[in-house]
Amino acid sequence: DTAVSQTPKYLVTQMGNDKSIKCEQNLGHDTMYWYKQDSKKFLKIMFSYNNKELIINETVPNRFSPKSPDKAHLNLHINSLELGDSAVYFCASSREFGELFFGEGSRLTVL
Amino acid sequence: GEDVEQSLFLSVREGDSSVINCTYTDSSSTYLYWYKQEPGAGLQLLTYIFSNMDMKQDQRLTVLLNKKDKHLSLRIADTQTGDSAIYFCAERGEGSSASKIIFGSGTRLSIRP
Repeated sequence: DTAVSQTPKYLVTQMGNDKSIKCEQNLGHDTMYWYKQDSKKFLKIMFSYNNKELIINETVPNRFSPKSPDKAHLNLHINSLELGDSAVYFCASSREFGELFFGEGSRLTVL
Repeated sequence: GEDVEQSLFLSVREGDSSVINCTYTDSSSTYLYWYKQEPGAGLQLLTYIFSNMDMKQDQRLTVLLNKKDKHLSLRIADTQTGDSAIYFCAERGEGSSASKIIFGSGTRLSIRP
């Protein structure tokens, strides 16, 4: 049983398109996150939700919109994709103030 | 703002000890973590230390925390080829910073035969 699962694992698309990445966790955690890892492996937090409420929104372009339909799911929708959006996007979850459990990542390539 | 720094590369001989260092700026850090990332995979928690501790040992792993210098290290004894990975140091603050975990740049550990 995968604890934090993301789909799709790979995504290749053209500039200007809109795409979504989905994440689900079966750990019963209250908090979920999106992190972006660039080609140099730097990992930066983008968003965090606690019980479906947005609690962290770092300096991320408005083209990125997270949605949490319930506390086990956190999706990321990206409009008007740009070359610089190419990265690996990691979903993670935690108990409040606990350690993070990561998904396997979704590698987005924008051509 | 909060910042976590690590050196980018470390190369050690198989069987030797590896020591990966990390410095952080947030003096109100509550928990400090070490994560491991293997190629093509997500990050896995290796170990963590609470800020009121100065050492934690878990089998081949030893974590040392110098809170005064804001320095954290991870020692891996008897390093094996399976330890090749990127190791990330991370910290969680308190108060308004408690809701997020900040990661360092990662240290790529390679093992020489």
